[in-house]
Amino acid sequence: TQLLEQSPQFLSIQEGENLTVYCNSSSVFSSLQWYRQEPGEGPVLLVTVVTGGEVKKLKRLTFQFGDARKDSSLHITAAQPGDTGLYLCAGEGPDTGNQFYFGTGTSLTVIP
Amino acid sequence: NAGVTQTPKFQVLKTGQSMTLQCAQDMNHEYMSWYRQDPGMGLRLIHYSVGAGITDQGEVPNGYNVSRSTTEDFPLRLLSAAPSQTSVYFCASRTSGKNIQYFGAGTRLSVL
Repeated sequence: TQLLEQSPQFLSIQEGENLTVYCNSSSVFSSLQWYRQEPGEGPVLLVTVVTGGEVKKLKRLTFQFGDARKDSSLHITAAQPGDTGLYLCAGEGPDTGNQFYFGTGTSLTVIP
Repeated sequence: NAGVTQTPKFQVLKTGQSMTLQCAQDMNHEYMSWYRQDPGMGLRLIHYSVGAGITDQGEVPNGYNVSRSTTEDFPLRLLSAAPSQTSVYFCASRTSGKNIQYFGAGTRLSVL
């Protein structure tokens, strides 16, 4: 069992639709990150959230850190084909030896 | 800007063979980590280092050894490869006090 569970594992939507990806854990994190990974490449950092209840926006992407700092969500508004990729959350804190442990990943496909 | 460089990009081994995956970074980062990525599992932390001469185990350390003799290099050794070690391996680095991890492009390993 992994420390961070993401849902859904796979998501296929039409261009223009909205979607939310969830990242859940029973552990408390000092910070939580979201990455996007393209095929054949390493993950690239999108955002870091550190405060419970924090909301950050990156163009059409909205990231929220849960009040108890155990979970997070990524919401994409009006998805575009360029949003296609693997989305990964990663948390670090006392339970991880202050190293980043990754979630199980959500594979998003946006159909034109 | 080289960033994090991993070699080789692809490797095929027979069961029982040994090999070393190389990772080098030119950003003078203290922290370096090795992850493996398998379908549906996200990235799992194998070993990490917080500085030259200091290493520690992550989530899935069995079957892998590491050492950190210099700040720049963090090789991952498979002493006796097993089919269960077929995976994509990523090396990452970051500076202490900052949460931005930089990833290499990965090494795709198949063990037959």
